[in-house]
Amino acid sequence: EAEVAQSPRYKITEKSQAVAFWCDPISGHATLYWYRQILGQGPELLVQFQDESVVDDSQLPKDRFSAERLKGVDSTLKIQPAELGDSAMYLCASSYTTGRVGYTFGSGTRLTVV
Amino acid sequence: LAKITQPISMDSYEGQEVNITCSHNNIATNDYITWYQQFPSQGPRFIIQGYKTKVTNEVASLFIPADRKSSTLSLPRVSLSDTAVYYCLVGDDNNNDMRFGAGTRLTVKP
Repeated sequence: EAEVAQSPRYKITEKSQAVAFWCDPISGHATLYWYRQILGQGPELLVQFQDESVVDDSQLPKDRFSAERLKGVDSTLKIQPAELGDSAMYLCASSYTTGRVGYTFGSGTRLTVV
Repeated sequence: LAKITQPISMDSYEGQEVNITCSHNNIATNDYITWYQQFPSQGPRFIIQGYKTKVTNEVASLFIPADRKSSTLSLPRVSLSDTAVYYCLVGDDNNNDMRFGAGTRLTVKP
């Protein structure tokens, strides 16, 4: 079964440092999403890509977060500088653009900011 | 955007059937209903999806009434390993703007 790959699995960083997460979607999935999930809450959409273009980044804190998908395949989410409140699970998901509903999620990156 | 409402938590016992209902009063004509399961420290996992009436797969059934303003996920004969958070999502086949609610935390007891 095809999977969405994410790395690292866990990350501990100090406040004010930079941190980056990587995601490789399922082959053929043109749409890629980054979600943030705070413990005990549902995932919150941060950014959605269609190929290399951003479709929706309305919930992305752009003063410290950035996301790119330069070649329309894998993607990187960056936080600089990290704050204590950024501690969360960062989930990547991918999907077909049209004609088939629903996402496949990766296992996520658990970020702890100390 | 469809506003989604689910119970915060449910308890059940092994071997029982569990029904979790999701309310989505302003669902759009093109929207589908999808349910995900999430275990701690893992990404959500697809369970089942439907548009109307009843859908059944090897793990669950999904019941959707004619007005489509709600849906019920049915898990037959749950086991301890079904303890998880279950999310109901509503979205169209462009996969845009699909947002999660807080989910339903199901606890299965021995």
